[in-house]
Amino acid sequence: AQSVTQLGSHVSVSEGALVLLRCNYSSSVPPYLFWYVQYPNQGLQLLLKYTTGATLVKGINGFEAEFKKSETSFHLTKPSAHMSDAAEYFCAVLGSYSGAGSYQLTFGKGTKLSVIP
Amino acid sequence: DTEVTQTPKHLVMGMTNKKSLKCEQHMGHRAMYWYKQKAKKPPELMFVYSYEKLSINESVPSRFSPECPNSSLLNLHLHALQPEDSALYLCASSQFAPLEQYFGPGTRLTVT
Repeated sequence: AQSVTQLGSHVSVSEGALVLLRCNYSSSVPPYLFWYVQYPNQGLQLLLKYTTGATLVKGINGFEAEFKKSETSFHLTKPSAHMSDAAEYFCAVLGSYSGAGSYQLTFGKGTKLSVIP
Repeated sequence: DTEVTQTPKHLVMGMTNKKSLKCEQHMGHRAMYWYKQKAKKPPELMFVYSYEKLSINESVPSRFSPECPNSSLLNLHLHALQPEDSALYLCASSQFAPLEQYFGPGTRLTVT
């Protein structure tokens, strides 16, 4: 079974500082990993994904994540935080096959990012 | 177009009411999902439809009844809900490749 652990339910950074959100996964098969962002009272938006190939993945809004198999990690980073980055971030791993091309996602508990002016 | 739409945006209903949530996508995705999300929690999977057939029901109470009339549309019929059912209900869709799920903006449901 697949699982995801997000370290830190709340992270605060100053505007312009490095953003680092941590995600560790457990998977019995090569993992497919995702980061989603959720702004207040909105749905989830895909930031980036890792499937196969290059381990450094670039996403939208200047975010990137590095897949490290040896550390079972997929941490999300952004060099310089902006006020608009304040949101909830979810790491997810592709889980069980539900049939006919559908898969279940296993989410971490989420990390709330606050950006201090 | 990578958009999943959901209506209504907000819904307030009494415990004896019957209402429906609607989800639509025009990306040609053949898998559609309903999730329930409580405050400060990750989404919890409720139902999965693949090729308009229900493939997963995560032990959801029968007061929630999903329906997939066609490949673009997904409904969630609500009846005799409880106050603890108040939550954000999210719809998502996906295709076999790529595998990521695209989420709608959600319906904020309040049961009084």
